[in-house]
Amino acid sequence: EVQMVDSGGGMVQPGGSLRLSCAASGFSFGNYAMTWVRQAPGKGLEWVASISYSGDSSYYAVSVKGRFTISRDNSKNTLFLQLNSLRAGDSATYYCASMGEQFLSPHYMEVWGKGTTVTVSS
Amino acid sequence: SYDLTQPLSVSVALGQTARIPCGGNSIGRTSVYWYQHKPGQAPVLIIYRDNKRPSAIPERFSGSNSLNTATLTISGAQGGDEGDYYCQVWDGSAVVFGGGTKLIVL
Repeated sequence: EVQMVDSGGGMVQPGGSLRLSCAASGFSFGNYAMTWVRQAPGKGLEWVASISYSGDSSYYAVSVKGRFTISRDNSKNTLFLQLNSLRAGDSATYYCASMGEQFLSPHYMEVWGKGTTVTVSS
Repeated sequence: SYDLTQPLSVSVALGQTARIPCGGNSIGRTSVYWYQHKPGQAPVLIIYRDNKRPSAIPERFSGSNSLNTATLTISGAQGGDEGDYYCQVWDGSAVVFGGGTKLIVL
């Protein structure tokens, strides 16, 4: 069964940091681009960042560029998102998701994790 | 940046056909993807590459894309289809979502 389990969320003060993880299983993780998407309370889906299947290329939303870093460890089937300089506006549920086709750039997201919640508050 | 425009809500009578538009400049030239998102759940991919359905998605869901509008069509709408629907494109360096449409089944 294809599965992704997001973790690492929690409450953090403004300016703080968190590291989110996404453990994948049931598919050839290293063959698929991966993406983080978030949803703030009462808002729509917002793309955060994507990374190529090899990890050589990464892409960021303007709102997080320079503060967040996406990375992956294909030997451990795990995706990461390092969140630094957090702001109240970063409070959201963060979902990891895999691209639907192998060896392509992150065009879309087929399999999603259940999400992990980040709350930025003093 | 590329913008995708969706209506805030669409209402449909039970058993009837719902159509959710997604507007974008020359969107017909690129592939469009659609997701269903219900509260407390992970989003679900329901249409990819304009009009293809993942194997687990019922035939009632279909997509089209031409000129400046992509459309998600839900035939024979059911109560379980209520939720938020998002269109999405890849612009070469970024994933772009529409603002989302709440489907209300009356």
